[in-house]
Amino acid sequence: DAGVTQSPTHLIKTRGQQVTLRCSPKSGHDTVSWYQQALGQGPQFIFQYYEEEERQRGNFPDRFSGHQFPNYSSELNVNALLLGDSALYLCASSLSEGGYTFGSGTRLTVV
Amino acid sequence: GEDVEQSLFLSVREGDSSVINCTYTDSSSTYLYWYKQEPGAGLQLLTYIFSNMDMKQDQRLTVLLNKKDKHLSLRIADTQTGDSAIYFCAENTRNSGYSTLTFGKGTMLLVSP
Repeated sequence: DAGVTQSPTHLIKTRGQQVTLRCSPKSGHDTVSWYQQALGQGPQFIFQYYEEEERQRGNFPDRFSGHQFPNYSSELNVNALLLGDSALYLCASSLSEGGYTFGSGTRLTVV
Repeated sequence: GEDVEQSLFLSVREGDSSVINCTYTDSSSTYLYWYKQEPGAGLQLLTYIFSNMDMKQDQRLTVLLNKKDKHLSLRIADTQTGDSAIYFCAENTRNSGYSTLTFGKGTMLLVSP
């Protein structure tokens, strides 16, 4: 049974560019949450998707957007990248409430 | 608002016990979690405790919860060099009826031989 799969594992982008990160949830999970982990910090909640809708959002600007597909997989999009967006982006899946399983993350470097 | 605080660093010798402490603020948290993160890796769930419990033991891990003081601790018995990692405390917070995780900044555990 595959866990949470994220792609790509590493990414380097230039300031001002746009990026799309992908997440496939654990089999049977219907809810996907995205977290940003800056170096030396704990993960910060970005947003959560359920039934293809964003149902909760953390304190992140509109440059951060997402999508959930009918097969429950999800994308995180970041526009107009800033140097400060460099971080490890973690996807977590769950079955509606609780029981979060995390992926290994995508490490984004903005230069 | 929610805030989770942890000490930043702990150094122990192999074979000793390690105790990592955490304080949280959301009294409505239903679950509290401990995650482990090794260098370059994602988060691995170590254990969790339901808010109506005082203690949970799982092999070498013991979680103590003092709900009155909003204090959570993780004890690792017989600490091994493979336990060296960053440990995150997280609370399950609810906003608009939906739950998310709020993490502390992590405690780096260094185990020396």
